[in-house]
Amino acid sequence: GIQVEQSPPDLILQEGANSTLRCNFSDSVNNLQWFHQNPWGQLINLFYIPSGTKQNGRLSATTVATERYSLLYISSSQTTDSGVYFCAVLFSGNTPLVFGKGTRLSVIA
Amino acid sequence: SAVISQKPSRDICQRGTSLTIQCQVDSQVTMMFWYRQQPGQSLTLIATANQGSEATYESGFVIDKFPISRPNLTFSTLTVSNMSPEDSSIYLCSVDGAGVADTQYFGPGTRLTVL
Repeated sequence: GIQVEQSPPDLILQEGANSTLRCNFSDSVNNLQWFHQNPWGQLINLFYIPSGTKQNGRLSATTVATERYSLLYISSSQTTDSGVYFCAVLFSGNTPLVFGKGTRLSVIA
Repeated sequence: SAVISQKPSRDICQRGTSLTIQCQVDSQVTMMFWYRQQPGQSLTLIATANQGSEATYESGFVIDKFPISRPNLTFSTLTVSNMSPEDSSIYLCSVDGAGVADTQYFGPGTRLTVL
């Protein structure tokens, strides 16, 4: 069946370090989004990226649709980057948005 | 993008009671979605609500437990009925991104605790 798998499940970083989060998906996609859920539960849109590369400040994302994966890069991490990062995929065929299990990031000072 | 508000932001309820969660959007949207996030888990879609039609429920969710209303293009409600402690979750409203195909935006969520 359709699947979205994220890795690593947990990540602890020293402030200032860089990291790469990965999202693998099982089928062709119409849409892929990266979200950050802050400690208060709010889901923040980071990227809408069904293919290609985008950058927004210290964050960037790349999706290689033909190889069915997406990467989220966080550079010079800050304590405010802590939280859970979700990859969510809208597969072709009008299926609902499917969320991965998330990567829980803790950035320590 | 769309600005979404939810009420209440959090609540503590007794088992056997019901709670209605409201979702308001600042623009007209075709599709509204309700998600549940159980503690420490990812998001699971409960149902899709289109204005003027019955909500479409995902496997494992039924209308008697989670009745949904969608009276217009900017508002929806989700009721969690006959609650038990297992219903303790964050409930999130989401809308399709008007003008940005296939993008979804999420409200701030309602954090529900059932005692």
